[in-house]
Amino acid sequence: ETGVTQSPTHLIKTRGQQVTLRCSSQSGHNTVSWYQQALGQGPQFIFQYYREEENGRGNFPPRFSGLQFPNYSSELNVNALELDDSALYLCASSAPQGPEQFFGPGTRLTVL
Amino acid sequence: QQQVKQSPQSLIVQKGGISIINCAYENTAFDYFPWYQQFPGKGPALLIAIRPDVSEKKEGRFTISFNKSAKQFSLHIMDSQPGDSATYFCAASISGGLAGNQFYFGTGTSLTVIP
Repeated sequence: ETGVTQSPTHLIKTRGQQVTLRCSSQSGHNTVSWYQQALGQGPQFIFQYYREEENGRGNFPPRFSGLQFPNYSSELNVNALELDDSALYLCASSAPQGPEQFFGPGTRLTVL
Repeated sequence: QQQVKQSPQSLIVQKGGISIINCAYENTAFDYFPWYQQFPGKGPALLIAIRPDVSEKKEGRFTISFNKSAKQFSLHIMDSQPGDSATYFCAASISGGLAGNQFYFGTGTSLTVIP
């Protein structure tokens, strides 16, 4: 059984650019959640996708958007990058019956 | 507003000792309380979780104690080992049908176990 995978591992962007992060959910899991983890902080919920639709959103602006594909993999897109967007972005998948969420290794985004 | 408050921020324990991390919450609708372990540069890994219908759950050296009336729960690591040195996060969520649930995380506790 393959766990949650994320790509890329690291990414460096400049302010104002756009970025796309990718996540493959664990086998059998149809729900994907995205979290932002700033240095020294706990993960903060961005949004969740279920059956290819956004299902719940945290306190993040619209420039954070996402997609879920028929195979349950997901993308997180961030437009107009700001310095404060520098963080570890985590993807977590969960099974239909829940509630456990299993996290991937994350993508470290640095905005210069 | 922090939905889940975690303490202490950091903890140093001797090898073989007991590590105790505490969390408190306000929202009585929370019905699932997991603990995660995170090593530097890695994603959080699920350690152990509890529902509010039980007061204690034990898995190996890890125990969750849950006090529903006080809205508090804690992680106890028995016989702490240097390999347990990591950051620990508590979390809480409201189970939501078939679509999963949003996790609210504490701010983390950095545990160092001294040999």
